[in-house]
Amino acid sequence: EVQLVESGGGPVKAGGSLRLSCEASGFIFSSYTMNWVRRAPGRGLEWVSSISSSSTYIYYAQSVRGRFTISRDDARSALYLQMNSLRAEDAAVYYCARGGYYDTRGENDYWGQGTLVTVSS
Amino acid sequence: DIQMTQSPSTLSASVGDRVTITCRASQSIGGWLAWYQQVPGKAPKLLIYKASNLKSGVPSRFSGSGSGTEFTLTISSLQPDDIATYSCQQYNSFPWTFALGTKVEIK
Repeated sequence: EVQLVESGGGPVKAGGSLRLSCEASGFIFSSYTMNWVRRAPGRGLEWVSSISSSSTYIYYAQSVRGRFTISRDDARSALYLQMNSLRAEDAAVYYCARGGYYDTRGENDYWGQGTLVTVSS
Repeated sequence: DIQMTQSPSTLSASVGDRVTITCRASQSIGGWLAWYQQVPGKAPKLLIYKASNLKSGVPSRFSGSGSGTEFTLTISSLQPDDIATYSCQQYNSFPWTFALGTKVEIK
C-alpha cells in the first residue's frame, strides 16, 4: 500500500525557516517524480515544486523560487522541502504527492495527509 | 503560465442527480488533465487522469471527458459521499496549475 507521511510543519515567524519531510513506503520511491503541493486557507490547491527521479529535473513555482529547496534521499525513501525566508502567504497545508513513473509529466496519484505551516508576523 | 478556470464554483444538487463540472485551460493542454476530490480536513484524492481515465478503485459514477482546452467531470448519480471540493489540474507544462475548484453540496 502506498503511503506518504509528511512532518515538520508548525508555527514560524516571518523570515524564518522550516524543513518539511515526507516519508514514503509501499512503492519504489526512486522511480518516481515527487511533488509538493499546498493549500492555503480559503484558497485553491497550488503546486509548489517537483523533483524527478535521480533528481535530474527540479522545478519550482515562481512564488517560492529562490526561497524553497526540494530534495530527495532515495536510500531513505524521503522527500524534503527546505523553506527559507517564509512569508505570511506561505501559510498553508503542505502535501507531498507521488508523480510520474520515470517521467516529470504525471498526475499526483497518491497524497500524504499534509502538514500545516503557520507563519506569524 | 496556463490558467485553469472551473465552473460553477459551487453546486447544490440532490442525491441521484447527474452533476457536471467544467474546466477550461487558457491554452491547449492536450489531454494532460487530472481531476481531484478533496473532503475538508483530508488529502486530495485523484479521480481522473489524462482527462478521461478513471483511477483504479474510484466509483464508476465518475467520468471525465474533453481535450485541448475544455474538459468536464461528470458524476452520473450524486451520492452523499461525494460532498467535497473538486479541482482540475493541468500537467502539460510547468508550472502546473490548478483551478480554484467546485464545492459540491447536497440540496
